[in-house]
Amino acid sequence: KNQVEQSPQSLIILEGKNCTLQCNYTVSPFSNLRWYKQDTGRGPVSLTIMTFSENTKSNGRYTATLDADTKQSSLHITASQLSDSASYICVVRASNSGYALNFGKGTSLLVTP
Amino acid sequence: DTEVTQTPKHLVMGMTNKKSLKCEQHMGHRAMYWYKQKAKKPPELMFVYSYEKLSINESVPSRFSPECPNSSLLNLHLHALQPEDSALYLCASSQGAGTDYGYTFGSGTRLTVV
Repeated sequence: KNQVEQSPQSLIILEGKNCTLQCNYTVSPFSNLRWYKQDTGRGPVSLTIMTFSENTKSNGRYTATLDADTKQSSLHITASQLSDSASYICVVRASNSGYALNFGKGTSLLVTP
Repeated sequence: DTEVTQTPKHLVMGMTNKKSLKCEQHMGHRAMYWYKQKAKKPPELMFVYSYEKLSINESVPSRFSPECPNSSLLNLHLHALQPEDSALYLCASSQGAGTDYGYTFGSGTRLTVV
């Protein structure tokens, strides 16, 4: 069964600090992995997308890593800002799944002053 | 234009009302999707349109009726909804034809059924 597990479920950090969110998946055969940021009551916004051959991808203060052998990904946020407070969702697509995406339950991040 | 636009942003409707949600994109994407998202849960796929034809219906109750009038527009018609249908409804689009290239979500419609 294709599954995407994220940890931690929630996280509180001080403004300016760094943090790392984890995503483990069992989706197979693997096609790609996305990290989305979703503000409360808004649609998800794509941060990064990685395919099998990509190990690291950055988008400003966001850096995602992918280890396709261990089926793990992480999202590192550097120098956090109050506006980073949101839910971060890991989404994995299987190459034989047609239009289906496998969503993690998200990590809820709160950045405090 | 790299956006998926959803209207309205908020909607409150009674259980006997008929209303419609609208989604529009001008990226030339040929696959469009409706998702339902409850609070603190991941989005759940409802419908997929590919080249303006319904290709996936995830066993959604008939009180939700999708429509794709053209390649840029996707509607979701609502009738006789229940309070448990209150949720954030997300539209998304992608390039289509079996690829998820360019997968983009709209900002959603917050629906409350009273």
